[in-house]
Amino acid sequence: DTAVSQTPKYLVTQMGNDKSIKCEQNLGHDTMYWYKQDSKKFLKIMFSYNNKELIINETVPNRFSPKSPDKAHLNLHINSLELGDSAVYFCASSYRNTIYFGEGSWLTVV
Amino acid sequence: KQEVTQIPAALSVPEGENLVLNCSFTDSAIYNLQWFRQDPGKGLTSLLLIQSSQREQTSGRLNASLDKSSGRSTLYIAASQPGDSATYLCAGLSGSARQLTFGSGTQLTVLP
Repeated sequence: DTAVSQTPKYLVTQMGNDKSIKCEQNLGHDTMYWYKQDSKKFLKIMFSYNNKELIINETVPNRFSPKSPDKAHLNLHINSLELGDSAVYFCASSYRNTIYFGEGSWLTVV
Repeated sequence: KQEVTQIPAALSVPEGENLVLNCSFTDSAIYNLQWFRQDPGKGLTSLLLIQSSQREQTSGRLNASLDKSSGRSTLYIAASQPGDSATYLCAGLSGSARQLTFGSGTQLTVLP
């Protein structure tokens, strides 16, 4: 049973397209996150939601819009994709200071 | 704002050697410090988590220490093996929003 699952795992798309990455956790956690790992392997937080409310919104272009329909889901929608958006996106959830990561979604913009 | 630094950026050692990876953080008000392993093209594998009240954690050949006062953590790997080759990331959990701040990683290569 996968605790934090992301789909798709791999995504190749053209510049200018709009795409979404979905994330679901079956752990009953209240807090979920999106992290981005760039080409230099540096991991940085993008967004955090607690009980469907946005609590962290780092300096991210507004082409990126997270959506949390319920506590178990945090989806990431990206508009007008650019080459620089190519990265690995990790979803995570947490409870009592323990964070669980999904397996990552590899996004390649061509 | 929390900043996490890892030294060295890359390390190559012969098999069997004991080694230490270093991690430093600027904000000592962390809830915990976590070490991850990442293999090429793969996700994150949690290795050890040290709570702020703890000094160290051990798992097999791995031992992680935490010194909040100096803002440092180390990951000690005993009797290294080629299978240990990977990127090792440390991350501190801090802030009211409980966010993880990652270091840039140490890429370890263990030569057979």
